[in-house]
Amino acid sequence: SAVISQKPSRDICQRGTSLTIQCQVDSQVTMMFWYRQQPGQSLTLIATANQGSEATYESGFVIDKFPISRPNLTFSTLTVSNMSPEDSSIYLCSVGSPPEEQYFGPGTRLTVT
Amino acid sequence: KNQVEQSPQSLIILEGKNCTLQCNYTVSPFSNLRWYKQDTGRGPVSLTIMTFSENTKSNGRYTATLDADTKQSSLHITASQLSDSASYICVVSVVGDSSYKLIFGSGTRLLVRP
Repeated sequence: SAVISQKPSRDICQRGTSLTIQCQVDSQVTMMFWYRQQPGQSLTLIATANQGSEATYESGFVIDKFPISRPNLTFSTLTVSNMSPEDSSIYLCSVGSPPEEQYFGPGTRLTVT
Repeated sequence: KNQVEQSPQSLIILEGKNCTLQCNYTVSPFSNLRWYKQDTGRGPVSLTIMTFSENTKSNGRYTATLDADTKQSSLHITASQLSDSASYICVVSVVGDSSYKLIFGSGTRLLVRP
């Protein structure tokens, strides 16, 4: 299994600002994923982050709003840009190691006021 | 359309009682089915994973079943404890030519009362 940590665990941000969420894994993994979980909802995949290439975004999510970095095989960041109250969610990173084994981080609870 | 539906949406039981959560899926091509437990404010934690050929899988007081013919799965919790209060999410893997995708159910919120 993989141990995943996220920073920050929670934050309250003002409308129009940006927040960068960090995801650290205790082992090298090829595929990392970023999910959003809106209040009372299940998880929705935002994008897949592969080291050495641009992230692949799902329908409804764009790079300008959710830029992702993947500088190495153990770390990734997700930025939520120009936030609005609708961005209030839990953001989770997960890793596939090997593919189809999915482990999730503890999540970052974001509230936008 | 690939879809995973769970029922009930929420459930309240008394401590010590058993309960069963349901998951129906219309996913193709099917790879595996997982049940996750998600405590409030935490990330999901895998309970069981079953492939096409497996009918049942246990993890302590949690037992998952899979009927690939009817495309149904259930999660049975025995002798419930207060710590079982959480959301339980059914997730089905779809395998493509060079990638895979997870289809998430909307979850069942379980509340165990003393």
